[in-house]
Amino acid sequence: DSGVTQTPKHLITATGQRVTLRCSPRSGDLSVYWYQQSLDQGLQFLIQYYNGEERAKGNILERFSAQQFPDLHSELNLSSLELGDSALYFCASSVGSSGYTGELFFGEGSRLTVL
Amino acid sequence: QKEVEQDPGPLSVPEGAIVSLNCTYSNSAFQYFMWYRQYSRKGPELLMYTYSSGNKEDGRFTAQVDKSSKYISLFIRDSQPSDSATYLCATYTGGFKTIFGAGTRLFVKA
Repeated sequence: DSGVTQTPKHLITATGQRVTLRCSPRSGDLSVYWYQQSLDQGLQFLIQYYNGEERAKGNILERFSAQQFPDLHSELNLSSLELGDSALYFCASSVGSSGYTGELFFGEGSRLTVL
Repeated sequence: QKEVEQDPGPLSVPEGAIVSLNCTYSNSAFQYFMWYRQYSRKGPELLMYTYSSGNKEDGRFTAQVDKSSKYISLFIRDSQPSDSATYLCATYTGGFKTIFGAGTRLFVKA
């Protein structure tokens, strides 16, 4: 158990809909990362938050947004969903900026299926 | 060109075989190199971590980095069916962004 909690584990929805994925980082970790994993694209970095502020952005679509709350949990919002958004969405956390070594602790992921 | 290239496999070997998994990377500034293991329906977990060039051994696993050729390897000795998983190489150079390879699916047959 990595200590990172993600909900929901599975989600099935229709095109055009909006969903919210939730992540609670490991106790003490200030950074939260969101990754998308699909069969043909591997693990793609979406966005990172550190102590409530956005720190880095990857290949995140404009239809997607995220935030990190004062209690350090994070939410990834996906809107106007398309079939191609079907994927595993992982949240990961790491230690604070001074101790960052590249090691990430991943949750078990949220599997999104868009029909 | 992707920053980290990894053959997705799948790679199928008999139990007891030596497995070699490889990645190449493009940015010579990368200094930290990692191997993550991902079991089916699970999140990736850190397996090996190395800094700069050289070898690091942990039990049956050896991670090797050759910065001159921008090549990273993971060797698994005496492979077991429980080693069947996807192995992702990763690197980090700063900016809090860990970059992953596509992952290689490994099957170890009993």
